[in-house]
Amino acid sequence: DAGVIQSPRHEVTEMGQEVTLRCKPISGHNSLFWYRQTMMRGLELLIYFNNNVPIDDSGMPEDRFSAKMPNASFSTLKIQPSEPRDSAVYFCASSQRQGPGGELFFGEGSRLTVL
Amino acid sequence: AQTVTQSQPEMSVQEAETVTLSCTYDTSESDYYLFWYKQPPSRQMILVIRQEAYKQQNATENRFSVNFQKAAKSFSLKISDSQLGDAAMYFCAYNTGTASKLTFGTGTRLQVTL
Repeated sequence: DAGVIQSPRHEVTEMGQEVTLRCKPISGHNSLFWYRQTMMRGLELLIYFNNNVPIDDSGMPEDRFSAKMPNASFSTLKIQPSEPRDSAVYFCASSQRQGPGGELFFGEGSRLTVL
Repeated sequence: AQTVTQSQPEMSVQEAETVTLSCTYDTSESDYYLFWYKQPPSRQMILVIRQEAYKQQNATENRFSVNFQKAAKSFSLKISDSQLGDAAMYFCAYNTGTASKLTFGTGTRLQVTL
């Protein structure tokens, strides 16, 4: 079985550019999560979806960030315009279980560097 | 607010020895789940072990076991017979309520020496 697939693995861009990160969850998983990992703040939940519907986006830093899940097999996290402080590793994870206790399966992450 | 605290930024253990990583959490919920995730240099987070709060028995997965002290809100991870492949960041995490979203601690970097 393929795991959670994220692209790109690495992205280097200049301040002000639009960045789109992509995620394909594990087939059959109903919940999808976007996390951001930095040295200063650790792992932060940005947003999560249940059955393609955004449930909690309280972790999205500001209006420059947006996330979509147009169908059960694809999600995007967009940053427009990007800033140097957005540099981080962005993880997508999916879970078969919507309630608590479910294992989250993580992708390999997308390392974003904004110059 | 739900918080997870890992007070050991780094730990070191010799190969074949045992090491314990600490984690404390803060919650007013009575039913919740606790997790330990491993993040090797490849970056991908991998579940090591999971504990349900209403189960008094400590979870065990091969060389990995937990010491769950509900009253003290403590959830430590014990790695027995440490191997070089155990070297990684270890994150304690927690969830409750109606969602499977996780709140993570700041992590403990484990080094395994020969």
